[in-house]
Amino acid sequence: DIQMTQSPSSLSASVGDRVTITCQASQDISNYLNWYQQKPGKAPKVLIYDASNLETGVPSRFSGSGSGTDFTFTISSLQPEDIATYYCQQYDNLPLTFGGGTKVEIK
Amino acid sequence: QVQLVESGGGVVQPGRSLRLSCAASGFTFSSYGMHWVRQAPGKGLEWVAVISYDGSKKYYADSVEGRFSISRDNSKNTLYLQMNSLRTEDTGVYYCAKAPTPVTTGYFDYWGQGTLVTVSS
Repeated sequence: DIQMTQSPSSLSASVGDRVTITCQASQDISNYLNWYQQKPGKAPKVLIYDASNLETGVPSRFSGSGSGTDFTFTISSLQPEDIATYYCQQYDNLPLTFGGGTKVEIK
Repeated sequence: QVQLVESGGGVVQPGRSLRLSCAASGFTFSSYGMHWVRQAPGKGLEWVAVISYDGSKKYYADSVEGRFSISRDNSKNTLYLQMNSLRTEDTGVYYCAKAPTPVTTGYFDYWGQGTLVTVSS
């Protein structure tokens, strides 16, 4: 199975800050990497697919980059409504696997 | 608009069975792969199973292989997860999720609200 290592596990930042989350795959997964946002008590929502493609309707302050084994997710200017846990997910191979999650809080 | 509504969750004793359903609407159900993803209380996301658009291909996580069975009825726009020999570690919220393609991989573009399964004696 492909292991997805996400860091940090949590972070605290101020409104307007730039926030960066990383995800490392245990083997080359090309660009088969997606990012999700999950707010408390809610289902996850896809923000970025295929490493860098913004899902329709998602604000442009969210972005993704990377390929191979190293990926980055960025919120360019953190907003109060971005408080959530973020997950990366690979689909190069079954079983589909997720990173452990990053909980983002407001400082 | 796309809607996925899970049902069938509840409290069940270890070793017993439960069947989850996911009613789909707002899209051509028979054209897309469908997944089950679960989340233990306070934990991260775990992919459980996937079925192709026509039901011909099914894949499972090792943790549920041989105990869970995914199926679909395209005439009823409904996805199922039959869960047998349940264990305490199967406790969690179970989400059905739609794939953006007919195949069994990719990402999840729509999710249901989830149904809670609690396995406890």
